[in-house]
Amino acid sequence: QSALTQPPSASGSPGQSVTISCTGTSGDIGGYRFVSWYQQHPGKAPQLVIYEVNKRPLGVPDRFSGSKSGNTASLTVSGLQADDEAAYYCSSYAATNKVVFGGGTKLTVL
Amino acid sequence: QVQLVESGGGVVQPGRSLRLSCAASRFSFGNYAMHWVRQAPGKGLEWVALISYDGRNTYYADSVRGRFTISRDNPINALYLEMNTLGPEDTAVYYCARTGDGPGLFWSGYSWGQGTLVTVSS
Repeated sequence: QSALTQPPSASGSPGQSVTISCTGTSGDIGGYRFVSWYQQHPGKAPQLVIYEVNKRPLGVPDRFSGSKSGNTASLTVSGLQADDEAAYYCSSYAATNKVVFGGGTKLTVL
Repeated sequence: QVQLVESGGGVVQPGRSLRLSCAASRFSFGNYAMHWVRQAPGKGLEWVALISYDGRNTYYADSVRGRFTISRDNPINALYLEMNTLGPEDTAVYYCARTGDGPGLFWSGYSWGQGTLVTVSS
C-alpha cells in the first residue's frame, strides 16, 4: 500500500483537460511544498513533469500544471494529446527525510 | 544531455548480496545529490535512498534501512547501491536519478537512467 493515494485510472478525449489527485497527510503533502509529478510511458524511465507543487522543468509544456490544497495535490493535463497516455506518479517529501510515492494513475486518452 | 547508466542487476538468491552501479556523464556529478528508486514488476515507484552531493548525508526508506547502503565516488562519477540480505520483495527495476538545481529539487528525480533489473529468486 502506497503512502500517497491516487486514483488507479483517469481518462479524457483529445483536447480535453483531466485532473489527477494525490492525497497524503500533514506529514507529507500537507506539510511541505516538495511535491513532484512524474510521467512514465510503458517500458520507459519516469520523467519529471512538475516539482515544488507547480513548477515545470525545462522542456515540459505548459499544458501540465500542478496545485495543492491541504493534504491533496493535483496534476492537470490540458489539451490532451495521444502522447499524454501514460502512468503518472506523485511524490512528496515526508518527515523525516524521506520521499513517498503514490500508487500511480494510468491516464487513457480516448 | 545528462546520461545515467545503471549496471549490476541480475538474478540473486534470497539472503545474498548485490551491488548496483550508476555511471554518470555529461554533467558535473559532484555537484548533485543522487537518488535510487525502484519499481517492482507491474507496480508503482518506490523511493529507496538519497545521498548528498558530497556523500556526507544519506537517507533511506524504512523498507531498506540497515540492509542497503548508498555511496558515491565523485572522482570517477559513480553512484552505488550495496544491497544485503535480499528478499523476493526486493525484486524490481532499480533506477538512479539525479536531483536538480536548487533546494526545491533535492527531493525530486530530475533526470533518470534506464534502470537495471534485480530478481531475487532461488
